[in-house]
Amino acid sequence: EAAVTQSPRNKVAVTGGKVTLSCNQTNNHNNMYWYRQDTGHGLRLIHYSYGAGSTEKGDIPDGYKASRPSQENFSLILELATPSQTSVYFCASGYWGSQNTLYFGAGTRLSVL
Amino acid sequence: QQQVRQSSQSLTVWEGETAILNCSYENSAFDYFPWYQQFPGEGPALLIAIRSVSDKKEDGRFTIFFNKREKNLSLHIKDSQPGDSATYFCAASARGGSALGRLHFGAGTQLIVIP
Repeated sequence: EAAVTQSPRNKVAVTGGKVTLSCNQTNNHNNMYWYRQDTGHGLRLIHYSYGAGSTEKGDIPDGYKASRPSQENFSLILELATPSQTSVYFCASGYWGSQNTLYFGAGTRLSVL
Repeated sequence: QQQVRQSSQSLTVWEGETAILNCSYENSAFDYFPWYQQFPGEGPALLIAIRSVSDKKEDGRFTIFFNKREKNLSLHIKDSQPGDSATYFCAASARGGSALGRLHFGAGTQLIVIP
């Protein structure tokens, strides 16, 4: 069974503070993704990665950085958190083959006060 | 600009009815269309998917109807159960490309099934 684990599950941060969201996958998938989910917008892609050492900008990368130090780990970094970044964040892993299936973690609920 | 659109933000049906969730897309290059199901407090999970070479895909009570000419598709949930209450995301992707076939998601439809 595919496994994607996110930490922390809940986070409260202060405006201007630094936040790091972590994701670990045991699927040995090359591709990893960070999405945020907001009512009315669905899932929007922030950053993604093809493999260790690579990061690519998604549709809404402003205010976010990403880091992929290994096949298993993919982090999302908010250097200067703002209230507009309050959201639920999902990490996913996947591979591009005949079926482009993504396996999602359980999400991190972030509140920036 | 949203490339995948879901016509309803929410849908309420009675138990036993067929729920119909609609989706449309812009990009003619899209050829793979999965639906993801998400329960509260969980991440989305693949429910059923169809390729553009087919016009119908069935898996138990779940059926996708696909219309390539009209660029729309629908998810039919037959004999809806309260346990089907969830948010359903329509998604689409194209073969290859620099984004390695990344998925584009719709905004989601929250389905409520009343017992």
